[in-house]
Amino acid sequence: QSVLTQPPSASGTPGQRVTISCSGSSSDIGSNTVNWYQQLPGTAPKLLIYSDNQRPSGVPDRFSGSKSGTSASLAISGLQSEDEADYYCAAWDANLKGVVFGGGTKLLVL
Amino acid sequence: EVQLVESGGDLVQPGRSLRLSCTASGFTFGDSAMGWVRQAPGKGLEWVGFIRSKGYSGTADYAASVKGRFTISRDDSKSIAYLQMDSLKTEDSAVYYCTRAIRVRGKYYLDYWGQGSLVTVSS
Repeated sequence: QSVLTQPPSASGTPGQRVTISCSGSSSDIGSNTVNWYQQLPGTAPKLLIYSDNQRPSGVPDRFSGSKSGTSASLAISGLQSEDEADYYCAAWDANLKGVVFGGGTKLLVL
Repeated sequence: EVQLVESGGDLVQPGRSLRLSCTASGFTFGDSAMGWVRQAPGKGLEWVGFIRSKGYSGTADYAASVKGRFTISRDDSKSIAYLQMDSLKTEDSAVYYCTRAIRVRGKYYLDYWGQGSLVTVSS
């Protein structure tokens, strides 16, 4: 069972905007920044968002992150077929001295 | 360009040991913390542990599920991080990813990931 809670699946049609939620607690999201990873089928995870809402170089601005209290969200606008992937949220947990992950959300582009 | 290449994955019997290596390039390895994350077949990501840079003590911390059985070390002269896995269990079967860990105000997040190395524990 994952520490952070994500919906197991999400879906949308091309061009739509979808959001994926991530819920945690005061020891992880509530006191640390959130990062999001995209894992395309058969590949390694790739950093999509760091420090709640920052995009690494090369990540399209269609991807955005936000955080409020102990919850965070990833938004994808202008959905494209190549966005079909698993998305994971993560945060540092000072008590565990490690990273905690969400269970992952499989995004389907219909 | 940052590159992380894992090696050493194999099929091993329960109770045996295995060592994974992660060869890094494209950044100053000695200044970076390095982490390991695993993913069982069809499952999500699970934190294994990480090792700080020597400048921040060089110590390692582990997930409860592997503490006492796994050891992370580093050789800064070779830009290699290691994951020594002892007393392996069937539930340790997974793809193991090497990651770089970025330190921000005493906390860490993972930016670059290797391609992964498959470890299968089975009799």
